[in-house]
Amino acid sequence: GNSVTQMEGPVTLSEEAFLTINCTYTATGYPSLFWYVQYPGEGLQLLLKATKADDKGSNKGFEATYRKETTSFHLEKGSVQVSDSAVYFCALVSSNTGKLIFGQGTTLQVKP
Amino acid sequence: EADIYQTPRYLVIGTGKKITLECSQTMGHDKMYWYQQDPGMELHLIHYSYGVNSTEKGDLSSESTVSRIRTEHFPLTLESARPSHTSQYLCASSRVFGEQYFGPGTRLTVT
Repeated sequence: GNSVTQMEGPVTLSEEAFLTINCTYTATGYPSLFWYVQYPGEGLQLLLKATKADDKGSNKGFEATYRKETTSFHLEKGSVQVSDSAVYFCALVSSNTGKLIFGQGTTLQVKP
Repeated sequence: EADIYQTPRYLVIGTGKKITLECSQTMGHDKMYWYQQDPGMELHLIHYSYGVNSTEKGDLSSESTVSRIRTEHFPLTLESARPSHTSQYLCASSRVFGEQYFGPGTRLTVT
């Protein structure tokens, strides 16, 4: 079946550090892939997406590349800010049902 | 700007009470979803709807029920609240599969 696995958190970084949050998936076919972000006390927001192999999604300085050969969609940012502190969810959409399959979420804490 | 609303934002209620969590969106999206989010932040789909008068149970068994009489409205009801229902409930809507817009959530505490 379809599944998404993310690196365990929390991830704690200093401001301006480089961020990588690993995400790998298992799916039939070629699903679209997403990163969502949840700031404290809020619902989730779509951060970026990629719909086919080798696509790069990007938004707000974050990037992720759809790697079919490694079934991965790692999230990266070159220089994090305190305001990036949030929970990040990797997800895929099931081609059978249209439902989003989420990873377990990774908490990022950025310290000044 | 996505417009999806949930009320109440916070609710503390006693065991056995009937409650309805409201969710409305003004984007005309045909697809709507309810998720339960546990303290570890993991999300569980409990109900979804792909159109008026169409509702389905999600991946996590839930004692709640939903209705979809109007496109913009997708309320969730618990007939008899129990402490095990204490959780954060998130509503979402979408036009395109995968691209979901989330409300701010309702944090429910059952005492």
